[in-house]
Amino acid sequence: DAGVIQSPRHEVTEMGQEVTLRCKPISGHDYLFWYRQTMMRGLELLIYFNNNVPIDDSGMPEDRFSAKMPNASFSTLKIQPSEPRDSAVYFCASSLTLKGAGNYGYTFGSGTRLTVV
Amino acid sequence: AQSVTQPDIHITVSEGASLELRCNYSYGATPYLFWYVQSPGQGLQLLLKYFSGDTLVQGIKGFEAEFKRSQSSFNLRKPSVHWSDAAEYFCAVGGNTPLVFGKGTRLSVIA
Repeated sequence: DAGVIQSPRHEVTEMGQEVTLRCKPISGHDYLFWYRQTMMRGLELLIYFNNNVPIDDSGMPEDRFSAKMPNASFSTLKIQPSEPRDSAVYFCASSLTLKGAGNYGYTFGSGTRLTVV
Repeated sequence: AQSVTQPDIHITVSEGASLELRCNYSYGATPYLFWYVQSPGQGLQLLLKYFSGDTLVQGIKGFEAEFKRSQSSFNLRKPSVHWSDAAEYFCAVGGNTPLVFGKGTRLSVIA
């Protein structure tokens, strides 16, 4: 398996624009997580899915953020409208179980570095 | 709520020296503990994890960690550091909830 694939790797956008981040999890993984990494707050969980169903979105900072998982092989995280404080690295991770069972625990993608100017 | 504390923001060690990175956790149930490593511009890679059993766990790249329930700690160790070990290291705790990560410890390696 190619691992968790995220796109784009880098995104620079102007304030007020819509941004869509994409993630392809590892086939067979039932859980998908979106984390955000900043210097100030570290790695924060935004939302997670189990079998394509959102389970907990309490980490989503505002209504400007939304996430979907239309099928087992694809998820999106959308920010509309974007603001400079959204600048961060956004990681997608997938796992067989919530506990992180299996050889690789949560497997992370390479992340999307978002810059909002 | 669960939390992870990594007291050391930045550590510098000489190549060949031993290493210990500290991690303390707070979790209301049986903790599942992890150490991840992140190289610049990369995602997180799992080094090792503890679920149950032997409290000393071995991981990849020569790393090991010891779970001490009485101290709520899960410190990462390596007997001899290589220059390629320079990276950011994250401790995480989970179980019945998604993983919560510490703020990380940046490791620098000098000749």
